[in-house]
Amino acid sequence: AQSVSQHNHHVILSEAASLELGCNYSYGGTVNLFWYVQYPGQHLQLLLKYFSGDPLVKGIKGFEAEFIKSKFSFNLRKPSVQWSDTAEYFCAVNARGYQKVTFGTGTKLQVIP
Amino acid sequence: DAGITQSPRHKVTETGTPVTLRCHQTENHRYMYWYRQDPGHGLRLIHYSYGVKDTDKGEVSDGYSVSRSKTEDFLLTLESATSSQTSVYFCAISEGTSYNEQFFGPGTRLTVL
Repeated sequence: AQSVSQHNHHVILSEAASLELGCNYSYGGTVNLFWYVQYPGQHLQLLLKYFSGDPLVKGIKGFEAEFIKSKFSFNLRKPSVQWSDTAEYFCAVNARGYQKVTFGTGTKLQVIP
Repeated sequence: DAGITQSPRHKVTETGTPVTLRCHQTENHRYMYWYRQDPGHGLRLIHYSYGVKDTDKGEVSDGYSVSRSKTEDFLLTLESATSSQTSVYFCAISEGTSYNEQFFGPGTRLTVL
């Protein structure tokens, strides 16, 4: 069975700071990888996804993530955060061909103006 | 946003009472899922469905049952609600391809007193 670890539970940054949120998964086979964002009081929205190809994927709102297969990692990055990025971020993994998705416990990002 | 609605959006009930939550989709997606979201646990899969009348358990299925009599509707029932079932419940859908991108509903906040 797959599992996901998000090491940062709560991150506080000032506006314009750079962001990197860690995500590691465990599964020996081919995986699909996702980052979801949940703004306060809202549902989860897909930020970006990796299925295959270029390991550096770009998502919405200036976010990107890099898949490093050797490290079983899929870290989320943004060069310069804004106050509007305050939200909870979830990494998720799905074993290719299976329908269950496993979510990490989430990282709450607070951006201070 | 994907066409997913959940009802009710908020509910307060008492311990021991039955509760049914409804998820309705207009996307004609094959797979539907019920998750619960709790602080420190992220999203945990309760049950999912891979077609009409076809369902399977997730990681936290005890105390919950589901039914899917139509493609568009997926019901989650708490037979006898307990305070530990106080949570936010999210429905999700996916097409059922190898890539399994999931789309989430707005959530139902359930409080069991």
